[in-house]
Amino acid sequence: QQPVQSPQAVILREGEDAVINCSSSKALYSVHWYRQKHGEAPVFLMILLKGGEQKGHDKISASFNEKKQQSSLYLTASQLSYSGTYFCGTAGGTSYGKLTFGQGTILTVHP
Amino acid sequence: DAGVIQSPRHEVTEMGQEVTLRCKPISGHNSLFWYRQTMMRGLELLIYFNNNVPIDDSGMPEDRFSAKMPNASFSTLKIQPSEPRDSAVYFCASSNGQGWSEQYFGPGTRLTVT
Repeated sequence: QQPVQSPQAVILREGEDAVINCSSSKALYSVHWYRQKHGEAPVFLMILLKGGEQKGHDKISASFNEKKQQSSLYLTASQLSYSGTYFCGTAGGTSYGKLTFGQGTILTVHP
Repeated sequence: DAGVIQSPRHEVTEMGQEVTLRCKPISGHNSLFWYRQTMMRGLELLIYFNNNVPIDDSGMPEDRFSAKMPNASFSTLKIQPSEPRDSAVYFCASSNGQGWSEQYFGPGTRLTVT
């Protein structure tokens, strides 16, 4: 089952904040976040593990609610370089690292 | 580290022709994944291997698609015969095979079938 991301698209001005959500109907072991710029490959941002803590990297952080099987990606004080499509990928416990990706959220940051 | 290497980067072929896409994973990674990305269907997992063994090929669209991993450093995805609806970007990714490990994507092969 593909995880569901919301919103489908976000338009921001530089400096504004955004939240992208990812929900799954299956029990999760981990949630992975990737960003893909137009014409490029997806690039890893961070992983959240079951029982783990909220992660952060610069002004991008994420949380994982195991009970609700949801994860949220927080982008603070957005920069032009944050523009792209954000994907969450979910994994069960014994999947050899197999991920099921959501449909993506398109983030556009304007000056 | 050179990262995941894919070839060719672009492929244009006519309907009915055979297409072979190639992938070299990152050295030391034991899981390899083939994805297809289109506007309509997003990023779909086609097949993945662990220690060169196919684990799950349920995403392979039909018998026209086949994938092999003869050794730890090389994999191929073959489409025979190709159809216009196969046009997409095909990504190969590798990881160390654990649920907590990140996947590293190759640059992709943009396939156009006319």
